[in-house]
Amino acid sequence: QVQLQESGPGLVKPSQTLSLTCTVSGGSISSGDYYWSWIRQPPGKGLEWIGYIYYSGSTYYNPSLKSRVTISVDTSKNQFSLKLSSVTAADTAVYYCARDVTTSSDVDYWGQGTLVTVSS
Amino acid sequence: EIVLTQSPATLSLSPGERATLSCRASQSVSSYLAWYQQKPGQAPRLLIYDASNRATGIPARFSGSGSGTDFTLTISSLEPEDFAVYYCQQRSNLFTFGPGTKVDIK
Repeated sequence: QVQLQESGPGLVKPSQTLSLTCTVSGGSISSGDYYWSWIRQPPGKGLEWIGYIYYSGSTYYNPSLKSRVTISVDTSKNQFSLKLSSVTAADTAVYYCARDVTTSSDVDYWGQGTLVTVSS
Repeated sequence: EIVLTQSPATLSLSPGERATLSCRASQSVSSYLAWYQQKPGQAPRLLIYDASNRATGIPARFSGSGSGTDFTLTISSLEPEDFAVYYCQQRSNLFTFGPGTKVDIK
């Protein structure tokens, strides 16, 4: 059974960089069958895709966030990471890491999510 | 960017009733459309992928249909645990989610 777990600070100051890591267990991040995604959800609002990475390091980002986002992968640790720079209160959200099946339309496994609050 | 529109925003129904949720794309997404259910405090749960395929463990009362720009999620007979928010999502061109439909108890 694949499991994903987000980790990182729950509070970030405005203008700083948000950093989160997702640890994958029960499966290899080096499988060519999946993209590894970050998705967020502001409190009381809908879901927003941030971007995803392939095990090779190829990345795809939401155009609205592209200038501030970096997603990286560490296959030796079976982890992938998110960095979001110059954060504001609008970046306060629950951040989910997830597994995205390359050959179909879906995200089949999600982490439990971690709330990141941007506040001074 | 492909924009997804979901209707209605809220659907008020009673247990046992049929629920019909709509998702419309601003341009064709072929069959690259998925549906998710989300309950408060939980991560979304995959229900339907590739427009009409039920995910593992999803009850038969959930069904999806459509292709191109118009899609439907049908819950044939609502169970108490089905009252939740439902999102559609496309990955024909990058990745976007619809704004969601809340199914609440009438």
